[in-house]
Amino acid sequence: QQQVKQSPQSLIVQKGGISIINCAYENTAFDYFPWYQQFPGKGPALLIAIRPDVSEKKEGRFTISFNKSAKQFSLHIMDSQPGDSATYFCAAWNQGAQKLVFGQGTRLTINP
Amino acid sequence: NAGVTQTPKFRILKIGQSMTLQCAQDMNHNYMYWYRQDPGMGLKLIYYSVGAGITDKGEVPNGYNVSRSTTEDFPLRLELAAPSQTSVYFCASSYDFGGTGYTFGSGTRLTVV
Repeated sequence: QQQVKQSPQSLIVQKGGISIINCAYENTAFDYFPWYQQFPGKGPALLIAIRPDVSEKKEGRFTISFNKSAKQFSLHIMDSQPGDSATYFCAAWNQGAQKLVFGQGTRLTINP
Repeated sequence: NAGVTQTPKFRILKIGQSMTLQCAQDMNHNYMYWYRQDPGMGLKLIYYSVGAGITDKGEVPNGYNVSRSTTEDFPLRLELAAPSQTSVYFCASSYDFGGTGYTFGSGTRLTVV
């Protein structure tokens, strides 16, 4: 199935806290999992990405955790800041079908 | 700055009118895409192109047309606007076709009344 399910739809976190966004997929043909960050009035921008041969990738305060057996992956934002307030999309790439499928998006608000 | 430029940023159309959403990139990317974004629905692929003269349908192509006469430009045409086409439209481009490094434009917010 060409679907990626993302949760929660919206999330409010206090400054300094950890923000966690989850995604799940069914199609085992997906072989690349990027996360995009979108600020109001702007297009999405690539934030961080992972391939299924690793279980974790960290870039600064942003970490992707990947569980291949559960077909789930998540974005963790450590020490969340008000500037992280944005909509986040997970996505999955199917090399065989040559399709990038997006999750539904999570609107993250970091309260100061 | 290099990137993807979309025009116009906002547009209100009446039912049945036609319009073209413009998209241009200056990164010499072969691959270009049109997405629509609806609240709570993520991004849905409308059409894509793997190079000048080559286009193909995505998930939701009905009611739209595209052309790719040059590497730089990828306009999206709405022939008979319908309220269901009210959405935010994003154009994107990429160097390769592997899902990596899509560069998105800032979007066009279209309302059909």
